[in-house]
Amino acid sequence: RKEVEQDPGPFNVPEGATVAFNCTYSNSASQSFFWYRQDCRKEPKLLMSVYSSGNEDGRFTAQLNRASQYISLLIRDSKLSDSATYLCVVGINTGFQKLVFGTGTRLLVSP
Amino acid sequence: DAEITQSPRHKITETGRQVTLACHQTWNHNNMFWYRQDLGHGLRLIHYSYGVQDTNKGEVSDGYSVSRSNTEDLPLTLESAASSQTSVYFCASSEGRRGLRTDTQYFGPGTRLTVL
Repeated sequence: RKEVEQDPGPFNVPEGATVAFNCTYSNSASQSFFWYRQDCRKEPKLLMSVYSSGNEDGRFTAQLNRASQYISLLIRDSKLSDSATYLCVVGINTGFQKLVFGTGTRLLVSP
Repeated sequence: DAEITQSPRHKITETGRQVTLACHQTWNHNNMFWYRQDLGHGLRLIHYSYGVQDTNKGEVSDGYSVSRSNTEDLPLTLESAASSQTSVYFCASSEGRRGLRTDTQYFGPGTRLTVL
């Protein structure tokens, strides 16, 4: 079983749609949680950190459920520019913050 | 602006050759990391460093080595390149300061390596 599991997609949605991605993690010692965005053939970039209280950044909302070991990302009013792969990332502090990456969920937003 | 760079961006080599990939950051970050990314896998950690003269093995370190002689650079060496090492390699750095709630890692643009 992978430490971080995501639906690979692709999720095909029209502009303006709301789309949600889910992610589960297996290590209960995980302490920090992130969503990274990766464009085709580019480096991953931090989209947002995820906190137990949930957090929102514009059209993006992230939620964490520690009991179920589940992380979600909601994108409202999708834009063409949101087309990318979204990586669920879990941090485990083992002297430093070790990051464990999911394989990513691909989003395609069409006109 | 501070940044993290990698070179070369693309490299084709032959099995058995030694290859070194460069990573340079100007943020004065303590921590530096090397990952590889392959289809069907998330990014996997190869080696990491907390600071000058410190290096540690990650989950897929066999066949790779690193050295940290200064804060800015963490070169990755493939001692004897194998076809299984064909991949995209990303370098990353993070501040590594004590007490940070989260220590965000920033990634370089990647090096696409092909071993024939």
